[in-house]
Amino acid sequence: NAGVTQTPKFQVLKTGQSMTLQCAQDMNHEYMSWYRQDPGMGLRLIHYSVGAGITDQGEVPNGYNVSRSTTEDFPLRLLSAAPSQTSVYFCASSDPGTGIKETQYFGPGTRLLVL
Amino acid sequence: SQQGEEDPQALSIQEGENATMNCSYKTSINNLQWYRQNSGRGLVHLILIRSNEREKHSGRLRVTLDTSKKSSSLLITASRAADTASYFCATEEGGSNYKLTFGKGTLLTVNP
Repeated sequence: NAGVTQTPKFQVLKTGQSMTLQCAQDMNHEYMSWYRQDPGMGLRLIHYSVGAGITDQGEVPNGYNVSRSTTEDFPLRLLSAAPSQTSVYFCASSDPGTGIKETQYFGPGTRLLVL
Repeated sequence: SQQGEEDPQALSIQEGENATMNCSYKTSINNLQWYRQNSGRGLVHLILIRSNEREKHSGRLRVTLDTSKKSSSLLITASRAADTASYFCATEEGGSNYKLTFGKGTLLTVNP
């Protein structure tokens, strides 16, 4: 299993540009989420999904959109990038149906710089 | 808003010593988890303790939970240079449907 994969690893955008951060998992996990990590702030939840076709907002959803058309993929869209969205973005997944269901598995992250 | 707050923010010790990190939180929880993050990498789950548990062990890790004080501690015994990383506590609040709220982390440096 590849686990949770994220692309790209690094991206530079200009203010106002849009882009999609990709996240995929091959563990058949129902639950997926997006976090951003800023220096001194820990991780903050952006959006999450408890299954295909179901998404909800987290703590800091403004400026981001998500969709969940398949169990495997959970892309994060930046609609109009702003310098305040410069951050490291992590995708995570977990499976509420097995074992320690609350454990989240994290991808390696996407480092985004908005100029 | 941040639920968990780790203390200290940074900790530097020598190899072989024990490292203790603390986490405080504000609301009732289903469980509390500890994660490790090596520099530039994703987070890795270490251990989970449920609200009805007081202590758990996993290898060199020992976690305690005091729900009356809304606090937890992570003890790493006989630390190694490879334990150098940031450590985060994360809480799943009651009824939150597996949403985790992370603290700001403790940066642990283990010197050879």
